[in-house]
Amino acid sequence: QQQVKQSPQSLIVQKGGIPIINCAYENTAFDYFPWYQQFPGKGPALLIAIRPDVSEKKEGRFTISFNKSAKQFSLHIMDSQPGDSATYFCAAAALSGNTPLVFGKGTRLSVIA
Amino acid sequence: DTEVTQTPKHLVMGMTNKKSLKCEQHMGHRAMYWYKQKAKKPPELMFVYSYEKLSINESVPSRFSPECPNSSLLNLHLHALQPEDSALYLCASSHPRGGGGETQYFGPGTRLLVL
Repeated sequence: QQQVKQSPQSLIVQKGGIPIINCAYENTAFDYFPWYQQFPGKGPALLIAIRPDVSEKKEGRFTISFNKSAKQFSLHIMDSQPGDSATYFCAAAALSGNTPLVFGKGTRLSVIA
Repeated sequence: DTEVTQTPKHLVMGMTNKKSLKCEQHMGHRAMYWYKQKAKKPPELMFVYSYEKLSINESVPSRFSPECPNSSLLNLHLHALQPEDSALYLCASSHPRGGGGETQYFGPGTRLLVL
């Protein structure tokens, strides 16, 4: 119930393509869904986050789509660039229950020129 | 300033050594975290401090000993580690839940190698 399932494990796209990374959860108490970006040798950095009261959130080239009934959320990267090549982690938490972040297993994205 | 700093960047230690990892933040956050991350895996929560008190210990072996001397500092004391403890150790901080800021800010990590 505490798991967040993330797919795909790895993804290769051409520059300018739109990679999509999907996550699914079971715990209906989760109410905070962030995405973290991690470059090799660095700590994860928050990219964008969404709460269940909206179905979509956009920040720059990054968009989260959220489907509460399906308990799924996804990250879309518009006009992807080689500099976007990194590992992306989705996560979830139940803020009201003060539970820690639960991370997905990560997606390694490679954007090739 | 949204920076979490960690020292050292790299650490090599023997199984009988005692060493400490240090983490510092000046964002006024009152929740601080230690994570362990193995290659190609997500961060794995070890400890959470909230208002300088240990609030979560995820059944971490006693050879890892956390300490929170004040609201800006977090240490992780290491003793008698095993080679399988080699990993990237990440510190993070955030406002405590309910404070309006749920974002966890991560430091760059300490890459630990146990020989």
